[in-house]
Amino acid sequence: DADVTQTPRNRITKTGKRIMLECSQTKGHDRMYWYRQDPGLGLQLIYYSFDVKDINKGEISDGYSVSRQAQAKFSLSLESAIPNQTALYFCATSQGTQETQYFGPGTRLLVL
Amino acid sequence: AQSVAQPEDQVNVAEGNPLTVKCTYSVSGNPYLFWYVQYPNRGLQFLLKYITGDNLVKGSYGFEAEFNKSQTSFHLKKPSALVSDSALYFCAVRSLWGTDKLIFGTGTRLQVFP
Repeated sequence: DADVTQTPRNRITKTGKRIMLECSQTKGHDRMYWYRQDPGLGLQLIYYSFDVKDINKGEISDGYSVSRQAQAKFSLSLESAIPNQTALYFCATSQGTQETQYFGPGTRLLVL
Repeated sequence: AQSVAQPEDQVNVAEGNPLTVKCTYSVSGNPYLFWYVQYPNRGLQFLLKYITGDNLVKGSYGFEAEFNKSQTSFHLKKPSALVSDSALYFCAVRSLWGTDKLIFGTGTRLQVFP
């Protein structure tokens, strides 16, 4: 969905490096999410934010941090990347409670 | 605890035949249920959702899903498969009384053969 964009789309980094993945949305939604996708595991929730002042840990937050700079922007950081963080990362947005989440195109991350 | 199961890693079907992708769920209280599709090198696209009301839900691209409370299932169906339907399909659930998080299944790869 072009309303949710992610940068970069692909990234190769080395173990121990700090990297940031960025997500922007023009849908005007208040809620934003970061997921990672691994083959055979589906999507796992890393962090989520219900508004700019509300950040919550998901199922697998260890090794990650986030920043909600504005309603439209939600960044995911890997403070010290490790190889098992190699995955496909998705940002998603939704409006209000119990509503459909809309996903960005994903960032493919390879940690060497 | 909330959970979603997609018992088939892959479903193969011939073009023109009906298809079913299975999903069962476990939640406390009444569920919100979703189906998403992921095409190669693309993000997840919303197909349809069940919140309340009619147990048969119609969605995008001719897909539909049937909510069955007694069997705790929400199977995705299409009367006539297309080769272009080949993709990875995810079922997801959210509890109305839960923490508002979406729980995804592990995905089912649908392969439609000409």
